Amino acid sequence: EPEVTQTPSHQVTQMGQEVILRCVPISNHLYFYWYRQILGQKVEFLVSFYNNEISEKSEIFDDQFSVERPDGSNFTLKIRSTKLEDSAMYFCASSQGGIIPGELFFGEGSRLTVL
Amino acid sequence: SQQGEEDPQALSIQEGENATMNCSYKTSINNLQWYRQNSGRGLVHLILIRSNEREKHSGRLRVTLDTSKKSSSLLITASRAADTASYFCATDAWRNQFYFGTGTSLTVIP
Repeated sequence: EPEVTQTPSHQVTQMGQEVILRCVPISNHLYFYWYRQILGQKVEFLVSFYNNEISEKSEIFDDQFSVERPDGSNFTLKIRSTKLEDSAMYFCASSQGGIIPGELFFGEGSRLTVL
Repeated sequence: SQQGEEDPQALSIQEGENATMNCSYKTSINNLQWYRQNSGRGLVHLILIRSNEREKHSGRLRVTLDTSKKSSSLLITASRAADTASYFCATDAWRNQFYFGTGTSLTVIP
């Protein structure tokens, strides 16, 4: 069964460092998403990506964040200068999209710890 | 905000009992979905109900949708210990954007 894969599963970084989280969405999906979940809390929308551009982003997704689909398979989230409050689980998701969107398929997440 | 809110925040029941979780949302929607998350794992899709549907079943799951009240409920019948997880509703209003609620943490006691 196709699945969304994310790497790394866990990354520890120092405050101020750049972090890149990687995702391989399901191959025939058209919409890609990043969500964030601070431990035990709600799942927060960060950004959606379609047709090689951001289609929507939340207030959380400020200038420190960027996304890229560099090679047609990977979908990356970059945090330019990490802060303590960026510590969270980051989930990538993809969907087929369309007029009637279907389900989101999630990866297992990348846990980011900022020290 | 389009984000939904589930209640209760936490629910603890005995195995074999039914579990009911509710979701309220604020804006008009195209679809509402329910997801499950085991501790520390990704979210897994359970069921989707369209805005023109009122009820949907899938195995031991029953979902209702009341668009006039902007609310949905998820019923898990004959619960099992393996149903222990967090359950989230997600709404999409336009452009394939999905917004999640705060989640209900369900504990099923064997």
